This record gives sequence, structure tokens and C-alpha cells, in this order.
Amino acid sequence: RKEVEQDPGPFNVPEGATVAFNCTYSNSASQSFFWYRQDCRKEPKLLMSVYSSGNEDGRFTAQLNRASQYISLLIRDSKLSDSATYLCVVRPGTGGFKTIFGAGTRLFVKA
Amino acid sequence: EAQVTQNPRYLITVTGKKLTVTCSQNMNHEYMSWYRQDPGLGLRQIYYSMNVEVTDKGDVPEGYKVSRKEKRNFPLILESPSPNQTSLYFCASSGTPGLSNYGYTFGSGTRLTVV
Repeated sequence: RKEVEQDPGPFNVPEGATVAFNCTYSNSASQSFFWYRQDCRKEPKLLMSVYSSGNEDGRFTAQLNRASQYISLLIRDSKLSDSATYLCVVRPGTGGFKTIFGAGTRLFVKA
Repeated sequence: EAQVTQNPRYLITVTGKKLTVTCSQNMNHEYMSWYRQDPGLGLRQIYYSMNVEVTDKGDVPEGYKVSRKEKRNFPLILESPSPNQTSLYFCASSGTPGLSNYGYTFGSGTRLTVV
């Protein structure tokens, strides 16, 4: 089993749709969680950290369920510019620095 | 501007010819890391460094070396490159766990082709 697993893609959605990405992780000691966005042939960029209580940034909402070892990202009112690959990232926090990236889920938003 | 700078952006080399990819950050980050990205395999960690003179292996360290003599620099060295090291490489840095700057900042990437 992979340490971080994401939904297989690609997701093809129309503009204005709500889309959800899911991610599971295997190491229960993991402490820090992130979502990154990567455009084709570009470097990944931090989209948002994921906090235990859940957090929102505009159209983006991230949730963490430690008991189920599950992370989610919800994008509301999708824009064409949201088309990218979304990467789930897990870090162990203090005591360890090995960072695991999910393979990513490709999103295509169409007009 | 806070950034991670990698050089070169593109490199074509021949098998066995030693090369170095440089990485520098201006954010005073303790933690730096190298990744390679291959189609279908995602980002895989090669080496990471928790501070000056402290480095450790990631998931795919074979064929690579690193050094961390200064806080801002973390070069990746391929002593004898082989075609299976053809890949897109990213350097990244981050601050200390628990702080707001704990997320990674990535360099723009180095596309390496070994023939």
C-alpha cells in the first residue's frame, strides 16, 4: 500500500461545478498535511495547509479526519484557471522530516 | 523576493559525466530537500537536509550525493549520471515544523536528460 494515496484522475468538470479530492495516508504518526497545486511542467505550489479543525480559503475547503487518516479538498464554483494537478502532502512533523507526496489528481475545468 | 533558485533549468549530458545542480534559498530555512518527478510516479524524495552539515537519504538516493555546507545552499551531485536519472528535479525548502512557514517552497525545476 502506498503511504499517501489519492483519487485516480483525471476529473473533468464544467465551470461552476464543485469538485472534491480525497487522500488517505498510512502513517498514523503524521502531523502536518498540505494540498499543493502543480501546473503542467511547473513547480508545485502550496495551496493550503490542512488543520485538524478544517479550514477554508475562499472557494477552497480542506478537511482532516485523523481517525480515518483521510484528507479532503473541496473546490467550489470551479474556474478554468483551477485546471491543474492537485497533490496531497503528508509530513511527520517534529522528529522526522521525510515528506510524502501523493501521485496527484489531474483536474480539467471546461467552459 | 522569497525564493528557491535552481540552476540550470535544462541540461543534456552524456552518461558518466559528473554534474551538479545548484539550489539556493533566501528565506533562512533550515530544511531543504531534493525531489525527482517522473510520469506516473509522482514526486519522490532523493535527499533532505535538516540543517547545515545534517543530511539524510530519502526514498531514491542511489546515484546522488548532496552537501549542506551553508544554510542557503543545497547542491545535488550526480557523480556518474545514467539514462535512468533522466527526470525533472525540484529543490524545495521549508521552515521549522510547527511554524507557519512549514510548507515547502519549490524551485522552478531542472529538466535533466542523460544520453
